Amino acid sequence: EPEVTQTPSHQVTQMGQEVILRCVPISNHLYFYWYRQILGQKVEFLVSFYNNEISEKSEIFDDQFSVERPDGSNFTLKIRSTKLEDSAMYFCASSETSGVQETQYFGPGTRLLVL
Amino acid sequence: LAKTTQPISMDSYEGQEVNITCSHNNIATNDYITWYQQFPSQGPRFIIQGYKTKVTNEVASLFIPADRKSSTLSLPRVSLSDTAVYYCLVGEGANKFYFGSGTKLNVKP
Repeated sequence: EPEVTQTPSHQVTQMGQEVILRCVPISNHLYFYWYRQILGQKVEFLVSFYNNEISEKSEIFDDQFSVERPDGSNFTLKIRSTKLEDSAMYFCASSETSGVQETQYFGPGTRLLVL
Repeated sequence: LAKTTQPISMDSYEGQEVNITCSHNNIATNDYITWYQQFPSQGPRFIIQGYKTKVTNEVASLFIPADRKSSTLSLPRVSLSDTAVYYCLVGEGANKFYFGSGTKLNVKP
């Protein structure tokens, strides 16, 4: 069964540093998403992406965040200057088509720790 | 904003049926209701989705009343491996999704 993969599984960084989290969505999927989950809290939507553009974003997704599809397979989330409160699990997801009725497939996540 | 409300936690025993209710009073006409399961340190996994009435698949049933202001996930005959957090998700717009606070289900032997 096709899977969404994410790298790295864990990342530790210093406050103020830039981090790039990588995701490989399922190959025939066209819609991509990033979510985060602070330890012990709910999953929070960050951004959705389609056709090389941001489709929707939440209030969490401020200027410190950016997303990119640099090639035909990778989907990245960049945090320009990390803050302590960015420490969380970051999940990538993809879906075949758009719409709220479309099932999203989630990756295993990247655990980010900002010191 | 289609905010959802779920019980924080539930306990059950193996072999029992478990019903988890989600409240979504502000659900929009176009919104679907989706439930996900999440184990510790893993990404959410799709369980079931519906728009109205009843939906059933090989793992669960989803009951949605006519007003769609709530939904109930029903897990038949739970086992220890069903211990997880269950999230109710209501979509907003084409590609914007909000998870509920989640219900931590603890299945006991």
